[in-house]
Amino acid sequence: ETGVTQTPRHLVMGMTNKKSLKCEQHLGHNAMYWYKQSAKKPLELMFVYNFKEQTENNSVPSRFSPECPNSSHLFLHLHTLQPEDSALYLCASSQATSGGHYSYEQYFGPGTRLTVT
Amino acid sequence: AQKVTQAQTEISVVEKEDVTLDCVYETRDTTYYLFWYKQPPSGELVFLIRRNSFDEQNEISGRYSWNFQKSTSSFNFTITASQVVDSAVYFCALSVPDSGGGADGLTFGKGTHLIIQP
Repeated sequence: ETGVTQTPRHLVMGMTNKKSLKCEQHLGHNAMYWYKQSAKKPLELMFVYNFKEQTENNSVPSRFSPECPNSSHLFLHLHTLQPEDSALYLCASSQATSGGHYSYEQYFGPGTRLTVT
Repeated sequence: AQKVTQAQTEISVVEKEDVTLDCVYETRDTTYYLFWYKQPPSGELVFLIRRNSFDEQNEISGRYSWNFQKSTSSFNFTITASQVVDSAVYFCALSVPDSGGGADGLTFGKGTHLIIQP
């Protein structure tokens, strides 16, 4: 496997279900991100993990719960979602500096297309 | 707060025409980074270019070129001699280095849907 992979690619879930999205990066990066892409809004940053520590939560509802067990894996746990949460969820990774002032480009996975019924 | 505006929602041109995608950004920070990404129908965002705020030199990569102008806060993208395979949604994005170092999220524009007709 190369780059950033995401599973599953498609997910349909009811509002009472609990599911998890998985992301894995094979690039040796130390920062990982979750973004949401819905039809009516631009790509929105959800969470940032830097060296496995969550450094940003962009006012995301608690029904979305991220987990980053190591710098290569990132999960997004979902529970009691709403129909408006239906979207494409994209994972990305990048190198991150520690104390520097530099932004590396982010590499994205193919996304998980989530439909909440 | 940062903001990226891509005023062109959709552009349609005939193959071999040149096309320019506009991007205007807003930030109060003096150090920032600008990016362009391509999203083909498959959905995966493909990185195209990164520029930092201290380097206004234009860049050319094959049929792609980028014009960065701080005076107008713009970072426009031109495709020369467009091809059908260029059809995609193109996103301009901005990041500001985290004050404590480390990872920075991207602020995206809404994207421009480019259609290249044969």
